[in-house]
Amino acid sequence: DAGVIQSPRHEVTEMGQEVTLRCKPISGHNSLFWYRQTMMRGLELLIYFNNNVPIDDSGMPEDRFSAKMPNASFSTLKIQPSEPRDSAVYFCASSVTGYGYTFGSGTRLTVV
Amino acid sequence: QKEVEQNSGPLSVPEGAIASLNCTYSDRVSQSFFWYRQYSGKSPELIMSIYSNGDKEDGRFTAQLNKASQYVSLLIRDSQPSDSATYLCAVLNSGYSTLTFGKGTMLLVSP
Repeated sequence: DAGVIQSPRHEVTEMGQEVTLRCKPISGHNSLFWYRQTMMRGLELLIYFNNNVPIDDSGMPEDRFSAKMPNASFSTLKIQPSEPRDSAVYFCASSVTGYGYTFGSGTRLTVV
Repeated sequence: QKEVEQNSGPLSVPEGAIASLNCTYSDRVSQSFFWYRQYSGKSPELIMSIYSNGDKEDGRFTAQLNKASQYVSLLIRDSQPSDSATYLCAVLNSGYSTLTFGKGTMLLVSP
C-alpha cells in the first residue's frame, strides 16, 4: 500500500499565480479530506468528499479556493489567484467513512 | 463551533517516565476519538483510537475516555526520546465524518 500520495512536496510561487495541489487517496477509501496547517490555526478542514461528492466545503476560505474529485483515485485543490496568506502546509487525507484518517506527506506552499 | 482543546506545552519528561497528554472537547454527542503523532516537518500519524468510556491499551500507549466529562487523555509509559513530537487529539464530528483537531501538545523527552 503506497499510502496517500500528494504532489508537489514543495511549491514556491509568486502572488497572483495559480497553484494546483494533487492527491491520490488510498484505494478502497471512500472519504477524502483537504486540510491546511499553520502554526497559528493548527489543522483546519477545507473540504470533505464522500464517494467523490463534495459534502462539506464550509472551510474553504473564499472563492479563490476550489477543489475537485473527478474519480475515486484523484483530487485537486486549486488556488487562483494565490496570496501570501495562503502560505501553509496542505494535507490530503483519506479514510473509510467514520474511521481515522491516513494523511499524505503534505505540500508546503510558499507564496511570495 | 465544535472545539477541541489541548495544552500547547511543551511537556517535558525524562526518559523512562510516564507522559500524560490531555484533551477536552465541546461536542457532547461525539462518539469517536483519535490521537495522532506528528514529528516536526512530517504528516500526522494515527496512533490510537477510542470509542468507549474507559481505557484502551496498545503497547506503551493508553488512551482514556470519559464522555461525561468530555475528556480524552493519552498516557505514554517508559517515554523514549523518539516519542518527542506533537500529539494531536481529534474528535469525529456528529453528523459528518470529519475530524476536528486540537492544536496539539508538544512532548519533549530528555535522555
